[in-house]
Formats: sequence, structure tokens, C-alpha cells
Amino acid sequence: AQTVTQSQPEMSVQEAETVTLSCTYDTSENNYYLFWYKQPPSRQMILVIRQEAYKQQNATENRFSVNFQKAAKSFSLKISDSQLGDTAMYFCAFMKHPGGATNKLIFGTGTLLAVQP
Amino acid sequence: EADIYQTPRYLVIGTGKKITLECSQTMGHDKMYWYQQDPGMELHLIHYSYGVNSTEKGDLSSESTVSRIRTEHFPLTLESARPSHTSQYLCASGRGSSYEQYFGPGTRLTVT
Repeated sequence: AQTVTQSQPEMSVQEAETVTLSCTYDTSENNYYLFWYKQPPSRQMILVIRQEAYKQQNATENRFSVNFQKAAKSFSLKISDSQLGDTAMYFCAFMKHPGGATNKLIFGTGTLLAVQP
Repeated sequence: EADIYQTPRYLVIGTGKKITLECSQTMGHDKMYWYQQDPGMELHLIHYSYGVNSTEKGDLSSESTVSRIRTEHFPLTLESARPSHTSQYLCASGRGSSYEQYFGPGTRLTVT
């Protein structure tokens, strides 16, 4: 069975600074996807960034980037130039390679990020 | 934001009542999901559907039931609500072999 662990329940960062959120996972699969989802207060969960396990290059989406260490089963999220709108709960999630019957997501417990003005 | 809707957004109801949480999507997605999220906790999959007339239980045991009579509609029903059912329920949908799931705004249920 797959598990996802986020060891930082809460974090705080000053506006315009950089912050890194940690995530580790456990799986025996070789082909899978990893995701970071953002859940702002009272708003819908949205996908921030994804990483395919077969790709060595770390994914980047504007101010968001990941550090994917497959051997260490680590998948951290770096947010550069933090903005007040980045305040949210961030969930790390795992999915076996899509195309299966279910495409089930397995989530970590989340990290509550507060961006301070 | 994605075209997936949930109603009601908030519901407070007494023990023993029957309730149905609605979820609809206008994207034509074949896969739909229900997740349960307790405060400050991760999401757990409780039901999913591959398509019309197919439903399966998820990883977390739940006393709720679901149906999928139409592609766009995936309601969740609790026959007799209990305080232990108090939680947030998130609906999501996805297409075929795509990795992405689109989430609804959630229903926050409180059973008194």
C-alpha cells in the first residue's frame, strides 16, 4: 500500500520570501505521479504542480517548483516570492500511473501555510 | 475554476435524518469520486465511479451510498445520519486516463 507523509503541520513565511514544504512517500510502484494540491480557505482544491516519476527533471510552474528525489522517495514543494494569496492548506498526493480503472489519489495530512505581510 | 458543483455547501442536521449530498459536473468526465476530509486531516476516498451504473467503495469504510445514473451526477446518501458522520465531503471528477482530478467546493456536514 502507498502512504504519503507530510511532517510539517503548519508553516509561516514572509511575503516575497521562499518556503519549502516537505513530503515523503512510500510505494513499491515504479511508475506513478506525484502532485501538490492547494486548498485555500473556503475555496476549491486546485492542482498546483505534478511530477511524473519517470521524468528526472523537476517540474516547474511559475513560482512553484519541486525537488523530486525518487530514490529517497521525497517530493518537496518550493514556493518562491510568496504572495498573500498563497495562504492555504497544501496537500501532497500520490497516484499510480493514470490509465488504470480508478486513478485514485492518496493524500498526505497537509501543511497549513500562512504568508505574512 | 472547474465546472463541478456541490450542494448544499453547509448542512446542519439532526441524528437519524436521511440526507443526500449532490455533486454535478458539466465536463463530461467519466470518473467521479467522493472524499471525506476531517478538520486538519487528509482526504480519504470513500466512493468512486468509472462511469454510468458503476460504483465502488473506496479505501475508507463509509456508511454512505452512491449512485451514478447519469454521467454528470454522482449523489451521496446517508440513510440515517449520526454525529460520527460530521465531516467535509469533497466531490471530484476526472477524464479517462488523465491524471488530473477537478474538485468541487465541498459540503460541510454537521450532525447534531
